[in-house]
Amino acid sequence: NAGVTQTPKFRILKIGQSMTLQCTQDMNHNYMYWYRQDPGMGLKLIYYSVGAGITDKGEVPNGYNVSRSTTEDFPLRLELAAPSQTSVYFCAIRRDLGPLEAFFGQGTRLTVV
Amino acid sequence: RKEVEQDPGPFNVPEGATVAFNCTYSNSASQSFFWYRQDCRKEPKLLMSVYSSGNEDGRFTAQLNRASQYISLLIRDSKLSDSATYLCVGGNQFYFGTGTSLTVIP
Repeated sequence: NAGVTQTPKFRILKIGQSMTLQCTQDMNHNYMYWYRQDPGMGLKLIYYSVGAGITDKGEVPNGYNVSRSTTEDFPLRLELAAPSQTSVYFCAIRRDLGPLEAFFGQGTRLTVV
Repeated sequence: RKEVEQDPGPFNVPEGATVAFNCTYSNSASQSFFWYRQDCRKEPKLLMSVYSSGNEDGRFTAQLNRASQYISLLIRDSKLSDSATYLCVGGNQFYFGTGTSLTVIP
């Protein structure tokens, strides 16, 4: 039982390149979230999903896209990488009933140069 | 106004001290609140849930004040190992506060 798996762990992108950050869960939780955390700052919500086929914007969605075709996967896409997107990206999952705490992946450290 | 606001600190306290953190939230309909702990460059991990009646776990006490729309975390008898960033989170969209940095000094 891996919980939440994020890949890759580290990545360096050039300005203008695109990439997909992967998030996969094996806990069958409906709610999934993407956050970014800049150095010395808190977590900012990028996008979230309450179930397969449903996504919604968070606080800082510009420059990102998501999809949720299955319960297990919630990939985050950067289309035209910019230096401002240099950050640590965390994926999190949560039940919609019962204990509502979130569980996090280990993060993806992205640098855009 | 942000959904969840938190004093970023930093808090530097001696071992054995008692320290308290507060967060305010703007959405009165928010139901669930939590405190998370984050160590440097690691993912946040759940410290404790926050219940309306208040709850305690060892040296840690969490409280929710719905009338004033804030949650609090009290740490008694601080240990060196408590040094970390403490994040509050609430709301259906699970918005985080900015985090409060705590350093416990020998």
